[in-house]
Amino acid sequence: AQSVTQLDSHVSVSEGTPVLLRCNYSSSYSPSLFWYVQHPNKGLQLLLKYTSAATLVKGINGFEAEFKKSETSFHLTKPSAHMSDAAEYFCVVSDRGGTYKYIFGTGTRLKVLA
Amino acid sequence: NAGVTQTPKFQVLKTGQSMTLQCAQDMNHEYMSWYRQDPGMGLRLIHYSVGAGITDQGEVPNGYNVSRSTTEDFPLRLLSAAPSQTSVYFCASRRPSTGGFPYNEQFFGPGTRLTVL
Repeated sequence: AQSVTQLDSHVSVSEGTPVLLRCNYSSSYSPSLFWYVQHPNKGLQLLLKYTSAATLVKGINGFEAEFKKSETSFHLTKPSAHMSDAAEYFCVVSDRGGTYKYIFGTGTRLKVLA
Repeated sequence: NAGVTQTPKFQVLKTGQSMTLQCAQDMNHEYMSWYRQDPGMGLRLIHYSVGAGITDQGEVPNGYNVSRSTTEDFPLRLLSAAPSQTSVYFCASRRPSTGGFPYNEQFFGPGTRLTVL
């Protein structure tokens, strides 16, 4: 069965410093992995997705993530945090096992300090 | 394109009342889903549909019904509301994957915040 673990429920960084949001997954098959962002009282927006074409995936707003099969990880990074990055971030896994289901992590709330 | 739209944005119900949350998409996506979001639990799948006339249960289906008569619409019905159904509800849609892999991303609506007293 597939699962996803976001290792930090809250992360605080200062503006201009790097961001690292950690995600580990478990999947029986080659997974598709996604990062979504949710700003307060808003819906979810796709940041980036991994679908086996390249292990380093670039997304919107300067975010990127690296798929590491040996570590079963898909951590989200950004070189320099901006105040507008403050939001909740969800790591999502879906595998080719035949079910349609996406499995969401419990989320990481990112706080950016001025 | 409006994308995925949901109505209402907010709703307060009393225990035992019924209501329907509306969801519509104009992207001609075959797949649609309903999720609920509760603090510290991420999003959990309630029901999903892979096309008109085809629905199936997700992780937390109890107390909810769905139907899919058209590609565009996927309403979620609460039969007899309970306080445990207080949550934020999201509808999502996506295109089916070609060849089964990779999965395409889902597009989400803005959500409906439901409170059951």
